[in-house]
Amino acid sequence: KNQVEQSPQSLIILEGKNCTLQCNYTVSPFSNLRWYKQDTGRGPVSLTIMTFSENTKSNGRYTATLDADTKQSSLHITASQLSDSASYICVVSGLPFSGGYNKLIFGAGTRLAVHP
Amino acid sequence: GAVVSQHPSRVICKSGTSVKIECRSLDFQATTMFWYRQFPKQSLMLMATSNEGSKATYEQGVEKDKFLINHASLTLSTLTVTSAHPEDSSFYICSARDGRGASKYTDTQYFGPGTRLTVL
Repeated sequence: KNQVEQSPQSLIILEGKNCTLQCNYTVSPFSNLRWYKQDTGRGPVSLTIMTFSENTKSNGRYTATLDADTKQSSLHITASQLSDSASYICVVSGLPFSGGYNKLIFGAGTRLAVHP
Repeated sequence: GAVVSQHPSRVICKSGTSVKIECRSLDFQATTMFWYRQFPKQSLMLMATSNEGSKATYEQGVEKDKFLINHASLTLSTLTVTSAHPEDSSFYICSARDGRGASKYTDTQYFGPGTRLTVL
């Protein structure tokens, strides 16, 4: 069964500190892995997307890593800000369906709270 | 980045009524749109895939007669919750696939801001 598991479920850090969120998946065959940020009551916003041939990708203070062999990914947030408080969702896609699009499989998310 | 809008952002209705939610891609054509539902503190669950000009494909366990999807144009898909009941109260999110630059392994899907449905 294709699954995406994230840890920790929730996390509290102080402003300015760094943190790393984890994602393990069993989706096979694998196509790509995405990290999204979702503010409460809003739709998800894409942070990074990586295919199986990419090991790392950065977007400002966000750096995602991917190990396709162990089926693990991480999202590192540097110098956290209060506005980073949100849910971070790991999303994995298998190979495109005959319709030519990626079907997204969502993790449950990590709820991050950044405190002053 | 591309923008996807949803309307309304919030709706409260009485049990038994129908509610229509619109999803629009504002600056690109989306041949494929997706509808998700999200319950509190849970992740997004795909309800159906909407293809322009054809019938939507529903996920297992989603009643197609209750959740009517119409993708009448390349920039608009609608989800109608028919005869809504309190258990249909949820956060409904659409996403639109931008096929420009898509490869065999990746495509770009933009999410709308979501619609909060509350059924009394």
